[in-house]
Amino acid sequence: AAGVIQSPRHLIKEKRETATLKCYPIPRHDTVYWYQQGPGQDPQFLISFYEKMQSDKGSIPDRFSAQQFSDYHSELNMSSLELGDSALYFCASSSAEGAGELFFGEGSRLTVL
Amino acid sequence: AQSVTQPDIHITVSEGASLELRCNYSYGATPYLFWYVQSPGQGLQLLLKYFSGDTLVQGIKGFEAEFKRSQSSFNLRKPSVHWSDAAEYFCAVGLLFSGGYNKLIFGAGTRLAVHP
Repeated sequence: AAGVIQSPRHLIKEKRETATLKCYPIPRHDTVYWYQQGPGQDPQFLISFYEKMQSDKGSIPDRFSAQQFSDYHSELNMSSLELGDSALYFCASSSAEGAGELFFGEGSRLTVL
Repeated sequence: AQSVTQPDIHITVSEGASLELRCNYSYGATPYLFWYVQSPGQGLQLLLKYFSGDTLVQGIKGFEAEFKRSQSSFNLRKPSVHWSDAAEYFCAVGLLFSGGYNKLIFGAGTRLAVHP
């Protein structure tokens, strides 16, 4: 079965650079979520989209932005990167029929040098 | 506020021994509870979930969990641990809204090590 696809899987950037992460949800899933997991930390909710509109916002820095496109894929844009942005970024998707079950991608590991 | 507590940061068991990972939650309404497993450098895999009904939930890989409302707990158990079970385990409570939207609040995780 198709799963949530994230790209790139690994990304290395310098401080103050910009990074973009992509997420392709499971087909027919209408909600996308982004989570950030720092080293040794639990995943923290960043932002979510439902039907291409932002539906909820968590602890997402102002330097970060995200959107969901017409084909339901989502992109997380991170600017002015800081060392503390180094983390594993997860995307998840869900559908109304799935009764709230989130399916996670394998994550994108961002390293900021 | 909603929260999840996993009291044990690290647990070490011998292969073949039984396992119980503790999880306590704080949530005003009926909780939707989840257990996820994460192997090093990997994504989050759902082990099992509780939405309603039978309080003993069976999951994948031989895991089960029991929802106890009186204790606000959702402990994960396995009767006989395998070396491949070594991983990080996260308990989560879901804030389920209309349309299937579910915001997960994770606990801090329990790292399981398995001795041969």
